Amino acid sequence: EIVLTQSPATLSLSPGERATLSCRASQSFSSYIAWYQQKPGQAPRLLIYHTSNRAPGVPARFSGSESGTDFTLTISSLEPDDFAVYYCQQRTNWPPYSFGQGTRLELK
Amino acid sequence: EVQLVQSGAEVKKPGESLKISCKGSGYSFTSYWIGWVRQMPGKGLEWMGIIYPGDSDTRYSPSFQGQVTISADKSISTAYLQWSSLKASDTAMYYCARHIGRISAFDIWGQGTMVTVSS
Repeated sequence: EIVLTQSPATLSLSPGERATLSCRASQSFSSYIAWYQQKPGQAPRLLIYHTSNRAPGVPARFSGSESGTDFTLTISSLEPDDFAVYYCQQRTNWPPYSFGQGTRLELK
Repeated sequence: EVQLVQSGAEVKKPGESLKISCKGSGYSFTSYWIGWVRQMPGKGLEWMGIIYPGDSDTRYSPSFQGQVTISADKSISTAYLQWSSLKASDTAMYYCARHIGRISAFDIWGQGTMVTVSS
């Protein structure tokens, strides 16, 4: 079973700063990562699919990339609306889905 | 508008049974997998299982196999998550979400159903 480990657990930044969130897989796998944003009291929202593709309506300041088993979500210049919890999710053969434990992006 | 609408919050006692629902609209309900995700209070997301309403093909996470039952009624575009005997540890928010195979992700989420199990 592939385990996704997100870091840091909490990231404290200010509006206008660049945010870099990491998601590391316990082993290499031939599939993709998705990223979700969850605000308090709301359902998760899909941001990125297939590692680097933005979902419809997602601002261009959000981007995804990978390097081997390391996946990154970057927010180029934080807006006040971006402070939330972010989860990565992978899909492989079995078990087919799992989520990272989340990174809380908080206002500094 | 594509949406998933879940049933309302539930308060139950340990040992009771429960079935919550997730109704899809605005798209072909039988053509997309529907997944269920648990979020315990203050915790992260856990994938529970998934069903293809077109033929009711169902897969469970090993962590939830035997603990819950996932089903669907395609005639009313509704998926279900049920428990036969609830435990206090089942207290959580439960989300349904539509899975898009070609993007390997859940693109539409229900608003969530809060289940509270307490004596």
